[in-house]
Amino acid sequence: QVQLQESGPGLVKPSETLSLTCAVSGYSISSGYYWGWIRQPPGKGLEWIGSIYHSGSTYYNPSLKSRVTISVDTSKNQFSLKLSSVTAADTAVYYCARKLGWFDPWGQGTLVTVSS
Amino acid sequence: EIVMTQSPATLSVSPGERATLSCRASQSVSSNLAWYQQKPGQAPRLLIYGASTRATGIPARFSGSGSGTEFTLTISSLQSEDFAVYYCQQYNNWPPLTFGQGTKVEIK
Repeated sequence: QVQLQESGPGLVKPSETLSLTCAVSGYSISSGYYWGWIRQPPGKGLEWIGSIYHSGSTYYNPSLKSRVTISVDTSKNQFSLKLSSVTAADTAVYYCARKLGWFDPWGQGTLVTVSS
Repeated sequence: EIVMTQSPATLSVSPGERATLSCRASQSVSSNLAWYQQKPGQAPRLLIYGASTRATGIPARFSGSGSGTEFTLTISSLQSEDFAVYYCQQYNNWPPLTFGQGTKVEIK
């Protein structure tokens, strides 16, 4: 079955760039579907960050668009998130997921803390 | 942006009872609505998509209904493993994809 796994630094300094990767197994990204990033600040709800198609087409949340870049590497079967100029408000669990309109499945999530 | 509003924020229910959760969209999303369950420390799990279609492996006690702007998730007889937070999400008009703020189902 399709499985996703996030990886990346758990601690990022304010004003720096957060970088995460999502490795996909059990399905070839180049076969189709959108793939996305969602985040959840501690104790709060879910916020969609953006999604990418296997061809590289991207859609971003307007609230984050100026700071977000999502890319795909079909040769490694993974996609990545970069969020620039982070502040404490970007502290959250970051999830990757396959998007079929709805999101399924999800990765287990990775906590990223923004702190000096 | 379509705003999703869930009610109530917290629902206290006894095991074996029925739970009814609501989700309202600020404009029509047709039937393009999903429901998720999230337990502490876990990723959300898809329960329902297309407003009423259960995802693979989801028990029949979970059912979804509604279209347009008003949606309901019903858990017919709450089991201990059902106490969790539930989110709705619209995928009719995007970007952005938007989630409700969640309903916590707790033990009464």
